[in-house]
Amino acid sequence: NAGVTQTPKFQVLKTGQSMTLQCAQDMNHEYMSWYRQDPGMGLRLIHYSVGAGITDQGEVPNGYNVSRSTTEDFPLRLLSAAPSQTSVYFCASRFGTGSNQPQHFGDGTRLSIL
Amino acid sequence: SQQGEEDPQALSIQEGENATMNCSYKTSINNLQWYRQNSGRGLVHLILIRSNEREKHSGRLRVTLDTSKKSSSLLITASRAADTASYFCATDKKGGSEKLVFGKGTKLTVNP
Repeated sequence: NAGVTQTPKFQVLKTGQSMTLQCAQDMNHEYMSWYRQDPGMGLRLIHYSVGAGITDQGEVPNGYNVSRSTTEDFPLRLLSAAPSQTSVYFCASRFGTGSNQPQHFGDGTRLSIL
Repeated sequence: SQQGEEDPQALSIQEGENATMNCSYKTSINNLQWYRQNSGRGLVHLILIRSNEREKHSGRLRVTLDTSKKSSSLLITASRAADTASYFCATDKKGGSEKLVFGKGTKLTVNP
C-alpha cells in the first residue's frame, strides 16, 4: 500500500493563478480531509469528506474548493491564488467516519504564492 | 479555533531523559489522539485514548487523560535522538462531530 499520496510536493504560483492539489489513498478509507499548516498555527482543517459525493467545510474553507467523485481521490482546488494561501497542505484519510480512528497523512505539498 | 493546546511549545532534553508534553482542550471529547511529525514529513499517529480511559501505554509512550481538567499528557521515556520531532494532540468534540482539531504542537529536541 502506498497510503496517502500527495502531488505535487512543491509548487510556486503567481497571485491569481489557479491550481489543483492532488490527493489519493489506496486504503479504501471513507473519510478524507485537507489541512493547512502555517508556522505557529498548527494544522487547520480546510474541507473534509465522509464519502464519495459528500463534502463539508472545515475551519478555513474560503478560497478553496473540493470534490469527491471517487473513494480514492480528494483534490483541493485553489481558484485564484493569494499570498495568504502560502502554506504547507496536508491530506489525510481514515477508516470510517467516526473520530475514533487514526488518521493517515500524506507528506504534504509546499505551496508558495508570489 | 484551536481545540487542543500543547505545552510547552518547545522542549530540549538529553538522550536518555524522559520528555513530557501536555495538551489542554476546551470542550468535552470522545477521543484524544497524539501524533508525531518529523521535519518535512506528514503526521504519524502515535496513540488514541478514549474519554473513558485514564491511561494508555505503547512501547516507550505513556498517555494520560484527565477529563475533569480537560487535559492530557504524553510521556516519552528513555528518549532517543530519533524522537526529535513535533508532537501534536488532536481532539474531536463530544456530540458526534467527525472533525479532528489539532493543537499547535510541541517541538521536541533530543540531544545526543
